[in-house]
Parts: sequence; C-alpha cells; structure tokens
Amino acid sequence: AQSVTQPDIHITVSEGASLELRCNYSYGATPYLFWYVQSPGQGLQLLLKYFSGDTLVQGIKGFEAEFKRSQSSFNLRKPSVHWSDAAEYFCAVARYGGATNKLIFGTGTLLAVQP
Amino acid sequence: AAGVIQSPRHLIKEKRETATLKCYPIPRHDTVYWYQQGPGQDPQFLISFYEKMQSDKGSIPDRFSAQQFSDYHSELNMSSLELGDSALYFCASSPRGEEEQFFGPGTRLTVL
Repeated sequence: AQSVTQPDIHITVSEGASLELRCNYSYGATPYLFWYVQSPGQGLQLLLKYFSGDTLVQGIKGFEAEFKRSQSSFNLRKPSVHWSDAAEYFCAVARYGGATNKLIFGTGTLLAVQP
Repeated sequence: AAGVIQSPRHLIKEKRETATLKCYPIPRHDTVYWYQQGPGQDPQFLISFYEKMQSDKGSIPDRFSAQQFSDYHSELNMSSLELGDSALYFCASSPRGEEEQFFGPGTRLTVL
C-alpha cells in the first residue's frame, strides 16, 4: 500500500537559516507528490506539486522540493526561513480509487522558527 | 479567484446528535473529496465523488453518509455523534482530469 513517511515530528530552525523537511514515499509507479502547509486551526495550502518532468520543482513562498526516485524521497527546502514559515507541513501522495485520486498524508512536521 | 466554501465553519453538537456539513466546490470542479483531521493528526480521507457518483471510500464510519448534488455541492451527514468525531473536516475539489486538490477552510466540529 502507498504510504508517506515524514521522519521529523518537530524541527526548530533560526530565522534566516536554511530548511529541509524530509519526506519518503512508497509507491509502485511514478507518484504524484505534494507538499501542503497548515497554520494552526487553518486550512491546507498547497506549496508545490510533482507530477512528472523536472525533478526540482519550485513552489510558493520560496519553497522548492526535489524528487529523487532512487531514494523514494521528496524533500522540501527553503534557503532562508522567515518567522512566518512557522507552521505544520504535510507531504502527500495521490492514490487512485475509482475515478478520483485521494491524498495520503504523512504525519506532518511541525516547524518552529527562533528569532 | 473563487475558492472552496464550507459551511458552517464551526459547529458544536452534543453526543448522539446529528450534524450536516456542506461543501461548495470551485465553479466547474466536478470532483469533491472529504477529509477528517483529528487533533494533532494528519488529514484522513473519508469519501470522494465524481460527477455526482461516489468514487472512493476511506475510513468513513457507517454513521456517516455523504452525497454530491446536481449543482456539484456536497453534504456530509453525521449521525449518532461521538466524542471522537470532534475534528476538523475538510472538503477539497478538483476539475476533471486534474490531480491537484483545492482545499476549503474546513469545518471544526466539536462534540460535547
């Protein structure tokens, strides 16, 4: 069965420092992968997605992610973190069922940003 | 740009009561998904609809039912509510053939 693993439950970085959030997936074919961000009590905002093609994808708010098939990873990166980036980050993979593709989410990584 | 609309945004119910959550997808989106996010948990898929037909079903209790109407809006009906049903319920929509799902702001259900 498809699954998504986010090994880091909590990460704390200093403002201005670089960030990498890890995501590993298990899937038999080329996956459709997503990163979402959620602020406390808020909805899910799509940061970026990977369907095919260039393995380095750019997203909103200065985020990027790299798809590495050999490592079954889709890690999220940002070169310089801002205090407003503090939130929970979810990696997700799409799984087909009938005519639709549900999202299977990882358990999330909670990011704290120190001043 | 129009977004997914969910109503109500907050709902408080007693145990054993019923609740109805509504979702209005983005115009011209024909696919709707429902997810449940418990406190401190990741979102879990409940059910999806495509062109008013149920497409896929996840970990949705038998006490819950849902449907998609002719105008593509969807309703999630929850009966015999339990304390464990307290969660944030998200609706998402997507256009035909697209993989990206657009999420609504969620309905926070609290069962007392």
